[in-house]
Order: sequence, then structure tokens, then C-alpha cells
Amino acid sequence: DAGVIQSPRHEVTEMGQEVTLRCKPISGHDYLFWYRQTMMRGLELLIYFNNNVPIDDSGMPEDRFSAKMPNASFSTLKIQPSEPRDSAVYFCASSLGGQGDLETQYFGPGTRLLVL
Amino acid sequence: AQTVTQSQPEMSVQEAETVTLSCTYDTSESDYYLFWYKQPPSRQMILVIRQEAYKQQNATENRFSVNFQKAAKSFSLKISDSQLGDAAMYFCAYRSAGANFNKFYFGSGTKLNVKP
Repeated sequence: DAGVIQSPRHEVTEMGQEVTLRCKPISGHDYLFWYRQTMMRGLELLIYFNNNVPIDDSGMPEDRFSAKMPNASFSTLKIQPSEPRDSAVYFCASSLGGQGDLETQYFGPGTRLLVL
Repeated sequence: AQTVTQSQPEMSVQEAETVTLSCTYDTSESDYYLFWYKQPPSRQMILVIRQEAYKQQNATENRFSVNFQKAAKSFSLKISDSQLGDAAMYFCAYRSAGANFNKFYFGSGTKLNVKP
């Protein structure tokens, strides 16, 4: 398997523009997670899905952020309008889920977002 | 909520030497899982090692081993025979085995420098 795939790897945009980040989880994984990493706040969970349904979006910072998972192999995280404070590395991760032993998350390479 | 603390923002080790990274956590749960992730300059999060709380035996993966002290809520990572490729940020993570079993809590990270 190619692992979790994210695109784009880098994104530079201007304040006020819409930004869409994409993620393809590992095939067969039922859970998908979006994280944001900044120097100030570390690694934060934004939202996660189970079988394409959002389960916990309590980490989504505000209404400017939205996430969708239209099918098992694709998810988007959208920021509209973007602001400079949204600059961060955004990670997507997936897992098989369940309460089995040794279950863990597999991370994508991340998208580095810079909002000017 | 669970918290994970990494008190060493940065550490250095000489190549071929041994280094230990510290992690403590706070939880009221009795069953959970602990992880160490490595984040090299490429930014990808890579699973290094994992430990189930109900197992007394410390996990080992080649040059990486943990010292899990459940009563003290401590989970340190030992890297033996350090290599230049070990230079990275290391994150400790906690995952519940209870209701929120798919939610990970990450520490703030420790930057490891390896000197030739």
C-alpha cells in the first residue's frame, strides 16, 4: 500500500482565499483523522471520521474550517476564508479502528500551508 | 482529559551513544496504549514503538526500547547506538482503550540532535 496520501504537499495562498487540503487514507481503514501542527500549539486533533461519518469535530477551531469525507477513499479539509494564523502543517492519518491491541494511526506526509 | 508531558524540549547525543527521552502522562484509566512517534525533517510522523498498559513487559524494537512505569505514569524511550538518522522530533502519545479509543493525545515533542 502507498500509505496515506495528502495533496498538495505545500500550499501558499493569500489571506481571504479558500484553501482545500486533500487526503486519501490507506485502503480498508475505517477511521480518518485531521491534525494541525504549529510551533505554539503542537499537534492538535481537528476532526475524525468513522466510516465516512464525522464523529468528533470539537477540535475544529471555528466556522471557517470544514471537513468532508464523501467516500471511504477521500477526505477534504477546507478553510474559507483563510487567515495568516492558519499557517501550519496539516496531517491526515488513518487507522483500522476498533479496540484491538496495537491499533495505531498511520500518518500522511502532511501539507505545509502558508497564508500570507 | 488525558495529558501527555514531554519535559525535554531538546536533547543531544553523540553518535553510537545511548539517549533516553522522557514522557509522563495523566489519566484515570487503567487500560490504554502508549506510543512513540518520530518526525524527521520531512515532517512525516513515523511510528517507532508502542506499549499496551496491561503488559508489564517493556516493548522493544531493535535499537528502541521503552521503560514503562505504570504506577508513576512514566513512559520513556531509550535509543541505543544512536545513528545520524535518528535525529528528529520525537512525540509521545496516549490512546485510551475506553470509549474514546480512537482519540490520540500527543506531547509537545522532544527534538533530538545526533552529533557525529
